[in-house]
Amino acid sequence: GAGVSQSPSNKVTEKGKDVELRCDPISGHTALYWYRQSLGQGLEFLIYFQGNSAPDKSGLPSDRFSAERTGGSVSTLTIQRTQQEDSAVYLCASSSTGGGYSEQFFGPGTRLTVL
Amino acid sequence: AQRVTQPEKLLSVFKGAPVELKCNYSYSGSPELFWYVQYSRQRLQLLLRHISRESIKGFTADLNKGETSFHLKKPFAQEEDSAMYYCALLRGAQKLVFGQGTRLTINP
Repeated sequence: GAGVSQSPSNKVTEKGKDVELRCDPISGHTALYWYRQSLGQGLEFLIYFQGNSAPDKSGLPSDRFSAERTGGSVSTLTIQRTQQEDSAVYLCASSSTGGGYSEQFFGPGTRLTVL
Repeated sequence: AQRVTQPEKLLSVFKGAPVELKCNYSYSGSPELFWYVQYSRQRLQLLLRHISRESIKGFTADLNKGETSFHLKKPFAQEEDSAMYYCALLRGAQKLVFGQGTRLTINP
């Protein structure tokens, strides 16, 4: 079946602009995660959605970052007033359950470049 | 604080040689640890999980609580093993804390 999909695959923007990154999880997966992959920083957890529960936003680096998950499916990560340090690959993952660990399946990522 | 450290950013070995990718963690409690791999132009994917105690693609990893380590090993490296490897620690029920990654290159 289809895996996690993300769009766009690449995004180039100017400093100060807002960007939206989209994630379509695997159908039926209740948990959705956003991570950031930066050169030299590895993979950082950003935010986690589980069903209808309040999201865990503990990894968001600043209030310029926000995320929504509509209808328990598609998620959008929004970065306002982008800065050059926001340049990274943003990865989305989904898993089937939230009660106890289930394997997270990753999307191909969105490469964000802030000029 | 829960932390995962991969001390080697780059590791290069010859085909057929043994390979060991190091991972150390800090965690108060019983850790649950994973190795993820990202091959060139492919998605990040789970390689193995310490609880399952499996050998995947010839790789094994043993949790050593005394040394707080979870090193990934393979006795005979193959060229197709070249990839980026991430060690990860489960925090809470679902959140993964990743190390910085090690880029493994297998030379022919």
